[in-house]
Amino acid sequence: AQTVTQSQPEMSVQEAETVTLSCTYDTSESDYYLFWYKQPPSRQMILVIRQEAYKQQNATENRFSVNFQKAAKSFSLKISDSQLGDAAMYFCAYRRGGTASKLTFGTGTRLQVTL
Amino acid sequence: EAGVAQSPRYKIIEKRQSVAFWCNPISGHATLYWYQQILGQGPKLLIQFQNNGVVDDSQLPKDRFSAERLKGVDSTLKIQPAKLEDSAVYLCASSTGSNQPQHFGDGTRLSIL
Repeated sequence: AQTVTQSQPEMSVQEAETVTLSCTYDTSESDYYLFWYKQPPSRQMILVIRQEAYKQQNATENRFSVNFQKAAKSFSLKISDSQLGDAAMYFCAYRRGGTASKLTFGTGTRLQVTL
Repeated sequence: EAGVAQSPRYKIIEKRQSVAFWCNPISGHATLYWYQQILGQGPKLLIQFQNNGVVDDSQLPKDRFSAERLKGVDSTLKIQPAKLEDSAVYLCASSTGSNQPQHFGDGTRLSIL
């Protein structure tokens, strides 16, 4: 079974600084997708960034980028120029490739952004 | 584009009572998901529909949980009877297809007394 591990329950970053959230996963599949979701206090889960396992290039979305290390099964999220609005729970998630769509989530990292 | 709508937003019941949640996915989204998010944990898939058919309900406690999507649009999730461990946020999500990005609703927070 696939598992997703987020070892940092809480992280804190100062406004305008950079922070990295860690995620590791375990799978025997070669075709899969990895995601980072943001869940603000209002609870609506929002997709931040997505990475296809077959792509070597790390995904980037504006201030958000990932460091995908396939051999190490590591998928970290870097947030640059942190803003107050980045404060939220961040969940790493895995989905097997093909027609499967079940998302397996980690336990989340709560990010605080301070002035 | 209107998002995924869920109701109620909050629900408090006593154990052994019944409760139902409603979800209206984004228009045109064929795939609908129900997740359970227990405090301090990530969401866990309970059931996935493709139109009005069940694709995956392997983690649904079928002795007390049921879900339906009769016309392939709205969906209801029911718990009968509720247990203390069912206290959680129940999230509904939808997507255009089984391997497309999932869009989540605000969730229903269920508290069991």
